[in-house]
Amino acid sequence: DAKTTQPPSMDCAEGRAANLPCNHSTISGNEYVYWYRQIHSQGPQYIIHGLKNNETNEMASLIITEDRKSSTLILPHATLRDTAVYYCIVSPSGSARQLTFGSGTQLTVLP
Amino acid sequence: DGGITQSPKYLFRKEGQNVTLSCEQNLNHDAMYWYRQDPGQGLRLIYYSQIVNDFQKGDIAEGYSVSREKKESFPLTVTSAQKNPTAFYLCASSSLLFGNTEAFFGQGTRLTVV
Repeated sequence: DAKTTQPPSMDCAEGRAANLPCNHSTISGNEYVYWYRQIHSQGPQYIIHGLKNNETNEMASLIITEDRKSSTLILPHATLRDTAVYYCIVSPSGSARQLTFGSGTQLTVLP
Repeated sequence: DGGITQSPKYLFRKEGQNVTLSCEQNLNHDAMYWYRQDPGQGLRLIYYSQIVNDFQKGDIAEGYSVSREKKESFPLTVTSAQKNPTAFYLCASSSLLFGNTEAFFGQGTRLTVV
């Protein structure tokens, strides 16, 4: 059973904020929400993670609902280079052994 | 620069031949992993290793073999027993220390068997 649900694709205009949703209604209390992205024909890249508080770093912001059943990754000013597949993953740690990459969301940033 | 390096980026082999994909990391990570990715799909775990001279099968280990003779290196051999070897192969590493926050991936090797 998939632990996360993401839309298969989204478009965003260059310079606008990209808001990528993720549902994880069966998340356990000890599981973090991780986001990775994969640009075509490259390896996945870590973006951000959080437990229950909202998080921000130089790449993105992560908003987690109070009940932790869903989250949103926000790219504040999307560029063409942000076109990629974005994966939302729930895991008790950042170890690759425990990261399950599903199909993700294909984000296309349009000029 | 610290990182994880896979080589080659593209590899072509004839059907029935074994082929070995290289993965090297200088991040001093204990754990290393091999994944397979097919078009439009997520990543599937082939093998992983948490310590030198020890490794474990992942979800799709049949037709593959690995070795971990050095901490820095985790080569993957795709054998002739793998029925559908054409795919994008990704190597990753991560720390096993408490509080580890991310896994690092190589740039991948695209294997085409003709």
